[in-house]
Amino acid sequence: EPEVTQTPSHQVTQMGQEVILRCVPISNHLYFYWYRQILGQKVEFLVSFYNNEISEKSEIFDDQFSVERPDGSNFTLKIRSTKLEDSAMYFCASRININQPQHFGDGTRLSIL
Amino acid sequence: AQSVTQLGSHVSVSEGALVLLRCNYSSSVPPYLFWYVQYPNQGLQLLLKYTTGATLVKGINGFEAEFKKSETSFHLTKPSAHMSDAAEYFCAVSEPAGNKLTFGGGTRVLVKP
Repeated sequence: EPEVTQTPSHQVTQMGQEVILRCVPISNHLYFYWYRQILGQKVEFLVSFYNNEISEKSEIFDDQFSVERPDGSNFTLKIRSTKLEDSAMYFCASRININQPQHFGDGTRLSIL
Repeated sequence: AQSVTQLGSHVSVSEGALVLLRCNYSSSVPPYLFWYVQYPNQGLQLLLKYTTGATLVKGINGFEAEFKKSETSFHLTKPSAHMSDAAEYFCAVSEPAGNKLTFGGGTRVLVKP
């Protein structure tokens, strides 16, 4: 069964540095998402992406964050000037259309030191 | 705004016993409802979903859930727990054909032999 693939599985970064989290959605999917889960807290929606643009974003997704689909297969989340509170598990998800459920990757654990 | 409450962050059941995980939601419109499971070091896997139609929904691994509009609930059950059911379970809600998922806090299930 096709899967959403996320790399790396664990990223350790110094505070203030930029980090890029990578996702390869399922190949025929058209809607893409990023969520995050801070340890001990709920899974939170960050951003959705459709037709090469952001379709919705949460209050968390401020100017520090950006997303890109650079080559038709990858979907990336960039976090600039990382802060300690950015430490979390970041999940990528995709779906084929708005009526189908989202499929999630295994996540990237981001640790900011 | 939508919200999801899962009663009990941890549930312990004996192998062969009934598994009951509670989920209540708040939504201004009839929602779409989902249960996801997360095994250790893995992503979120869809167990089942309710969109429209029959209110009793069957999912994978012997799980089922019933949508009760009057109680704003979508509780997950399995008649007989198996050791492999040990995982964390997340209830989530979206607007009909909506974009983002709103998650509950999760319930971690421990299965005792």
